[in-house]
Amino acid sequence: AQSVTQPDIHITVSEGASLELRCNYSYGATPYLFWYVQSPGQGLQLLLKYFSGDTLVQGIKGFEAEFKRSQSSFNLRKPSVHWSDAAEYFCAAPGYSSASKIIFGSGTRLSIRP
Amino acid sequence: EAGVAQSPRYKIIEKRQSVAFWCNPISGHATLYWYQQILGQGPKLLIQFQNNGVVDDSQLPKDRFSAERLKGVDSTLKIQPAKLEDSAVYLCASSSKGGNTGELFFGEGSRLTVL
Repeated sequence: AQSVTQPDIHITVSEGASLELRCNYSYGATPYLFWYVQSPGQGLQLLLKYFSGDTLVQGIKGFEAEFKRSQSSFNLRKPSVHWSDAAEYFCAAPGYSSASKIIFGSGTRLSIRP
Repeated sequence: EAGVAQSPRYKIIEKRQSVAFWCNPISGHATLYWYQQILGQGPKLLIQFQNNGVVDDSQLPKDRFSAERLKGVDSTLKIQPAKLEDSAVYLCASSSKGGNTGELFFGEGSRLTVL
């Protein structure tokens, strides 16, 4: 079955430090992949998406992600985090049985150390 | 452009009671989703509508959950009777192109506590 795995439950980084959040997927064909962010008490907001083409995609708020087929990964990165980046981050991909059914990973909670 | 609207934001009920959540998607969005997000977990799709037809409801507990999308616009998700394990945030999302090629726009969610 299609799955999205986020191995890190909680990550803490210092403000100004770089960030990488991991995401692994299982999918037969070239997947569409997404990263969403959820601030406390809010709905999810799309950060970036990969459909095809360039494997390095840029998103909002200075985030980027790189699709690596050989590693089945789609890791999210940011060179310098800000305190406002503290949130929950979800990787997502379409379901195998239905391409329009979006499956979310379990999420990684990001805390920022002052 | 108005976003996805959901109500109520918070609801506390006793087990075995019923509850209903309402969602108004972004105008013109044909696809509407209801997700259940239990604390500490990622959102789980309950049901997906395309206009007023159901595309996927494979993970909807149909013995207690029901959903409808009136005239292909607003949607209501109902739980009757509620169980303790239904405590979660219920997220509504909409998309103009279907999730695989389009962005999902989420509402702020309805937080349900079942006592």
